[in-house]
Amino acid sequence: DAGVIQSPRHEVTEMGQEVTLRCKPISGHDYLFWYRQTMMRGLELLIYFNNNVPIDDSGMPEDRFSAKMPNASFSTLKIQPSEPRDSAVYFCASRPSTGNTEAFFGQGTRLTVV
Amino acid sequence: AQSVTQLGSHVSVSEGALVLLRCNYSSSVPPYLFWYVQYPNQGLQLLLKYTSAATLVKGINGFEAEFKKSETSFHLTKPSAHMSDAAEYFCAVSESSGNTPLVFGKGTRLSVIA
Repeated sequence: DAGVIQSPRHEVTEMGQEVTLRCKPISGHDYLFWYRQTMMRGLELLIYFNNNVPIDDSGMPEDRFSAKMPNASFSTLKIQPSEPRDSAVYFCASRPSTGNTEAFFGQGTRLTVV
Repeated sequence: AQSVTQLGSHVSVSEGALVLLRCNYSSSVPPYLFWYVQYPNQGLQLLLKYTSAATLVKGINGFEAEFKKSETSFHLTKPSAHMSDAAEYFCAVSESSGNTPLVFGKGTRLSVIA
């Protein structure tokens, strides 16, 4: 398996624009997580899904953030409108429901909002 | 709720010296504990994990960690640092049910001096 795949790797956008980050989890993994990494706050959990259903979105900072998982092999994190303080690295991770308990991370998307 | 505290945001050691990265956790239920490593511009990679078997856990690249329930600690060690160990290290905790997300510490940046 190619691992968790995120796109794009880098995104630079202007304030007010819509940004969509994409994630393909490892096949067969039932859990999908979105994390945000900043210098100030470290790794924060934004939202996670189990079997494509959002379980906990309490980490989503504002209504400007939304996430979807239309099927088992694809998830998006959308920011609309984007603001400079949204600049961070966004990670997607997946995990199976049985067996190994660790999460497998993608390479991340570095978002810069100017 | 679960939490992780990593003591020291930056640790610097000489090449060949002992590496000790500290992690203390808080959990109301039996925990699973993890150490991840992040190299520049990369995602997180699992170093090792404790899942209620042996309290001394060996991981990749010569790292090991010991789960000490009485001290609520899971410190990471390596007998002899190598230049390639320079990276960011994250300790994480989840519930032993395996059904909760990983909660991460703020990370410790390890520098290795030649």
